[in-house]
Amino acid sequence: DSGVTQTPKHLITATGQRVTLRCSPRSGDLSVYWYQQSLDQGLQFLIQYYNGEERAKGNILERFSAQQFPDLHSELNLSSLELGDSALYFCASSVGTFYGYTFGSGTRLTVV
Amino acid sequence: EDKVVQSPLSLVVHEGDTVTLNCSYEVTNFRSLLWYKQEKKAPTFLFMLTSSGIEKKSGRLSSILDKKELSSILNITATQTGDSAIYLCAVPQGGSEKLVFGKGTKLTVNP
Repeated sequence: DSGVTQTPKHLITATGQRVTLRCSPRSGDLSVYWYQQSLDQGLQFLIQYYNGEERAKGNILERFSAQQFPDLHSELNLSSLELGDSALYFCASSVGTFYGYTFGSGTRLTVV
Repeated sequence: EDKVVQSPLSLVVHEGDTVTLNCSYEVTNFRSLLWYKQEKKAPTFLFMLTSSGIEKKSGRLSSILDKKELSSILNITATQTGDSAIYLCAVPQGGSEKLVFGKGTKLTVNP
């Protein structure tokens, strides 16, 4: 157990639907990062939050949004889902990048 | 744009072989390079290399950073089937905490 908790582990949903992925960071970590991993693209950075504030944004689609709550857990909202959104979504947390990330076990999203 | 390229993309070896995985990077304001191992799900941290720590070793795994060549290698000696995984290399994007990952090397170790 890495200390980063992601739920749910698996999600199957239909095109056009909306889902919410949840992440609890490791105790003491203030930064939360969301990554998408697909077979052809590898790990792609989506967004980072630090202590409740958005700190960095990657190639995140407008249909996707995220937030970090006062208790530091984070949610990634994916809406108007398309088949191409099927991927593994990872959350990671860190004290600071210099020390690397700790990843959660991911949520496998399948859009049918 | 910051970039990380890993080679080879896949590798199949027999138990007991020694393997070398390569990672090259282009990044502004280099700070560190990280190696991760990804088995079934979550990438797990292996090593971090910096200008002041260019060589790391843990058991059968070792890694070296070559700042002049903008590259790093990950060596695994006496491979075991449990070493089968995807090995990922990443660098922090200059000035940020975002990690840029390579596409990984898929290592398969056959008994």
